[in-house]
Amino acid sequence: DQQVKQNSPSLSVQEGRISILNCDYTNSMFDYFLWYKKYPAEGPTFLISISSIKDKNEDGRFTVFLNKSAKHLSLHIVPSQPGDSAVYFCAASATFGNEKLTFGTGTRLTIIP
Amino acid sequence: KAGVTQTPRYLIKTRGQQVTLSCSPISGHRSVSWYQQTPGQGLQFLFEYFSETQRNKGNFPGRFSGRQFSNSRSEMNVSTLELGDSALYLCASSYGPTGGGTDTQYFGPGTRLTVL
Repeated sequence: DQQVKQNSPSLSVQEGRISILNCDYTNSMFDYFLWYKKYPAEGPTFLISISSIKDKNEDGRFTVFLNKSAKHLSLHIVPSQPGDSAVYFCAASATFGNEKLTFGTGTRLTIIP
Repeated sequence: KAGVTQTPRYLIKTRGQQVTLSCSPISGHRSVSWYQQTPGQGLQFLFEYFSETQRNKGNFPGRFSGRQFSNSRSEMNVSTLELGDSALYLCASSYGPTGGGTDTQYFGPGTRLTVL
């Protein structure tokens, strides 16, 4: 039962352009969402989060959008840089109920110089 | 502030053996969660400990167990190893328990376990 889904296993984007990574969830109890970036041989690094009371959160080049009615969130990276090449995981948790952090399967982003 | 540390970084075991992995959280963090990462499976939740108590457990067999000490350090044990246990085991710490927006977790580099 994959409650958090990242349907694109990989994505290639030209340097300087916008990268958009998508994530869908099925559990309506989820109210906190996070994005992590992972380089090979390292643990995931926290990027940005959003609470369900918001629909947008911005931090530098990274913006996360949340569409609760569609149970969909996306991460926008503008402009994309070669150092952004990594695997990106979205994750979700619920304040009540199934509180554990549930991760998607990840999207490998490759930035083409 | 020092990050999450995991030891050992690499481990090779044979089927049937048991293994213990260690995790030291960020100073002040009281929650430690463990995940298994295998190709194509993302991060599969194993369990979470908060203040020495197991708060939540994933869908793994009883061969997987853990504990947390009073200093918040945590250990994970896998008994009777199987080939399918080969994976990257990640530990993450957070200040508060998972849920309620306090659960921004910070990960260690992981322990790469290979079962032969």
